[in-house]
Amino acid sequence: KQEVTQIPAALSVPEGENLVLNCSFTDSAIYNLQWFRQDPGKGLTSLLLIQSSQREQTSGRLNASLDKSSGRSTLYIAASQPGDSATYLCAVSGGGNKLTFGTGTQLKVEL
Amino acid sequence: DAGVIQSPRHEVTEMGQEVTLRCKLISGHNSLFWYRQTMMRGLELLIYFNNNVPIDDSGMPEDRFSAKMPNASFSTLKIQPSEPRDSAVYFCAQGDSNTEAFFGQGTRLTVV
Repeated sequence: KQEVTQIPAALSVPEGENLVLNCSFTDSAIYNLQWFRQDPGKGLTSLLLIQSSQREQTSGRLNASLDKSSGRSTLYIAASQPGDSATYLCAVSGGGNKLTFGTGTQLKVEL
Repeated sequence: DAGVIQSPRHEVTEMGQEVTLRCKLISGHNSLFWYRQTMMRGLELLIYFNNNVPIDDSGMPEDRFSAKMPNASFSTLKIQPSEPRDSAVYFCAQGDSNTEAFFGQGTRLTVV
């Protein structure tokens, strides 16, 4: 059974810092990995999707990497802003787009 | 295209009552998923449909839960009878194989 772990569970940083969120998964037989953002009381917004054959994806200040063989992914956020404060979730797909989610990293970017 | 729309956004009901959660979908996607989110267990997949057909319902907690997808633009999740431990946020999401998933805003269910 696939298990997804995210470290750290919570993170507080001053505005402007670059930061890295970590995600690890136990079964490397994945189709893709997605990073989501969830704001309090809201749904999930997809940030980046990395296919199993890819090593990284970039969108603006966000960069996600994937090392499938070691079961790891990182989400890099450059020049963090207070508006980046949210919970970040990674999820892996084992096929059919069935997603197994991590428990998330709660990020707070302070002024 | 207003995205995946769930209703109601909030539902408070008494134990034993029937609850129906609704999901209006975006056209053009083959797969539909129902997830449940709680503090203790995080996000869990309950059931998913492909081309309106239920493919995997192994995540449905018990027979009190049922889901239907009568057409490509609508789905329901029903709980009958509801129990306090069903209190959670329920999400529906759409996506195709190897594409990003689009989530609704969720229904926050409280069973008292």
